[in-house]
Amino acid sequence: NAGVTQTPKFQVLKTGQSMTLQCAQDMNHEYMSWYRQDPGMGLRLIHYSVGAGITDQGEVPNGYNVSRSTTEDFPLRLLSAAPSQTSVYFCASSSPWTGNTIYFGEGSWLTVV
Amino acid sequence: KNEVEQSPQNLTAQEGEFITINCSYSVGISALHWLQQHPGGGIVSLFMLSSGKKKHGRLIATINIQEKHSSLHITASHPRDSAVYICAPQTSGSRLTFGEGTQLTVNP
Repeated sequence: NAGVTQTPKFQVLKTGQSMTLQCAQDMNHEYMSWYRQDPGMGLRLIHYSVGAGITDQGEVPNGYNVSRSTTEDFPLRLLSAAPSQTSVYFCASSSPWTGNTIYFGEGSWLTVV
Repeated sequence: KNEVEQSPQNLTAQEGEFITINCSYSVGISALHWLQQHPGGGIVSLFMLSSGKKKHGRLIATINIQEKHSSLHITASHPRDSAVYICAPQTSGSRLTFGEGTQLTVNP
């Protein structure tokens, strides 16, 4: 049981480049979300999804795009990277059928230069 | 003002000491999560509670919904407990709001 798998773990981008952070879970969870973690600010919600085909914006959605074509996958796209998007990104999943325990991926360290 | 306030921000203890980390929140919640983040960055869920108290090994979490306050206690602390502990109230649906975390260091 792999849980939540995030790739890549580390990435350096140039300003203006685009990229996709991949997230996959094998627990059949309905709820998936993306967070960014910055020093002194705690985790902040970027986008979330309550099921395949349904996504919504979180607290800091600007500059990011998501889709949920399957239950398992929830990729996060950076459309035109900016230095302000340098952060650590976490994907997470949960389900009310498993007590809403939240499972996190290992994190993706992104630097935009 | 942050919706979630944790205290203390930093805590240093000697091995064996009893640890308490506090969390106060201002929003209405359906549940509250306590998370642990190790130096390597990985985040794991310790507890999810909506009332009363839960215990898992040396860890105890309590919540008072009326007072909008939760505490995480660690009995007989050990150096391997050194980590950041994060309080995360669950608001609408499954959305979480996060405290900034408490950095705990337990010295041998």
